[in-house]
Amino acid sequence: TAGITQAPTSQILAAGRSMTLRCTQDMRHNAMYWYRQDLGLGLRLIHYSNTAGTTGKGEVPDGYSVSRANTDDFPLTLASAVPSQTSVYFCASSDFPSGGADEQFFGPGTRLTVL
Amino acid sequence: AQKITQTQPGMFVQEKEAVTLDCTYDTSDQSYGLFWYKQPSSGEMIFLIYQGSYDEQNATEGRYSLNFQKARKSANLVISASQLGDSAMYFCAMNSNNAGNMLTFGGGTRLMVKP
Repeated sequence: TAGITQAPTSQILAAGRSMTLRCTQDMRHNAMYWYRQDLGLGLRLIHYSNTAGTTGKGEVPDGYSVSRANTDDFPLTLASAVPSQTSVYFCASSDFPSGGADEQFFGPGTRLTVL
Repeated sequence: AQKITQTQPGMFVQEKEAVTLDCTYDTSDQSYGLFWYKQPSSGEMIFLIYQGSYDEQNATEGRYSLNFQKARKSANLVISASQLGDSAMYFCAMNSNNAGNMLTFGGGTRLMVKP
C-alpha cells in the first residue's frame, strides 16, 4: 500500500514564481492536512480539509491555497513564493472521526527552497 | 488555543536503558487526544502512541508507554530498553474534539542512544 505520496521530493524555486505541491492518498481517508516544518522546529498546520469539497485555514495559511476536488488529492499552491516559505512540507491524512485515535498518517515530505 | 511544550531539546540514553521524554500541554478543552510521533533522520513522521483525555489507563504500544497525568497536563513518553534505532526526533502533539483533528505540535526532543 502506497499510503500518501508527495511530489516533488525536493524543489528549488525562484522567489516570485508559483508552485503546486502534490499530495495523493490511497487510504480513502476523508480528512487531509498540510503542515510545514522549519529547521529544528515542530510542524505547523497550513490548511486542512475534513472532506472533499471543503477546506479550512490552519495556523499559518498566508501565502498558500488549497483545493479538495476529490477524496484522494489535496494540492498546495504557493502563488508567489517568498524565501520565508523555504521549509519541508508534509501532507497527512486521517480517517476522522474514526471513534478511535484518529491518528494522522504522513507523506514523505517535500523539501522546498525559495531563493 | 492549544499549546505543547517539550522542554528537552536533546537527550542521551545508554542502549538498553529506559528514557522518559517530557511533554506538557495547555488546553481549555475537555475532550482531546495526545500523540507521539518519531522522526528519524530520513525525515518521515511515524505515529507511535495515542492517549485520549478520557482514557483511564496509560497507553502502551510495545516498548512505548505514555505516562498521562491529566491534572498536571503532562503526557510523557517512556521508551523501555532503548535501541540504537530509537535515535531520532520525537514530537508530542495534541488535537481537540472542538477543533476537528488538527494537530498542534511541540518543538521536539532529539534522542540519541549511545552504544
